[in-house]
Amino acid sequence: NAGVTQTPKFQVLKTGQSMTLQCAQDMNHEYMSWYRQDPGMGLRLIHYSVGAGITDQGEVPNGYNVSRSTTEDFPLRLLSAAPSQTSVYFCASSYFATGYEQYFGPGTRLTVT
Amino acid sequence: QQQVKQSPQSLIVQKGGISIINCAYENTAFDYFPWYQQFPGKGPALLIAIRPDVSEKKEGRFTISFNKSAKQFSLHIMDSQPGDSATYFCAATYGGATNKLIFGTGTLLAVQP
Repeated sequence: NAGVTQTPKFQVLKTGQSMTLQCAQDMNHEYMSWYRQDPGMGLRLIHYSVGAGITDQGEVPNGYNVSRSTTEDFPLRLLSAAPSQTSVYFCASSYFATGYEQYFGPGTRLTVT
Repeated sequence: QQQVKQSPQSLIVQKGGISIINCAYENTAFDYFPWYQQFPGKGPALLIAIRPDVSEKKEGRFTISFNKSAKQFSLHIMDSQPGDSATYFCAATYGGATNKLIFGTGTLLAVQP
């Protein structure tokens, strides 16, 4: 099993550009989520999904879009990148219920200039 | 609004010493409290977790102490080793049909040889 994979590892964008961060898991997990990690702020939930076709907002959803067309994939779209979106982004997956371990991907470091 | 407050922000411990990281929460709907460990350049990984019906859980050198009345929980690392140097995050999840993690702000632990 590859677990949770994320691409790209690093990305530099100019303000106003759009891009998609890819996330895939091969553990047949129903629950997938996106977090951003910023110094001194821990990890904050952006969007999450409890299954194919179902998504919902987390704490900091503005400027991001998600879709879940398959169980395996959960891409995160930046619609018009802003410097405030400079961060490290982590995708995670787990079985759908509280108490199950969440498995995190290796992260994508995004810089918006 | 920080729902899970974590302290200290950073911690330096001598090899063989005890590392203690504290967290406090407000929302009594939280019913699962995991700790995640993150090494530089990696995603967080589950270290140990506890439910509020238990006051203590031990796994090897790692112990969670939980005080439900005070709404506090802490991680104790006994016989700390240089390999334990990492960032530690406490977290909490809501009960019911979700696995949304609310993270603390993290503690950077350095264990000196």
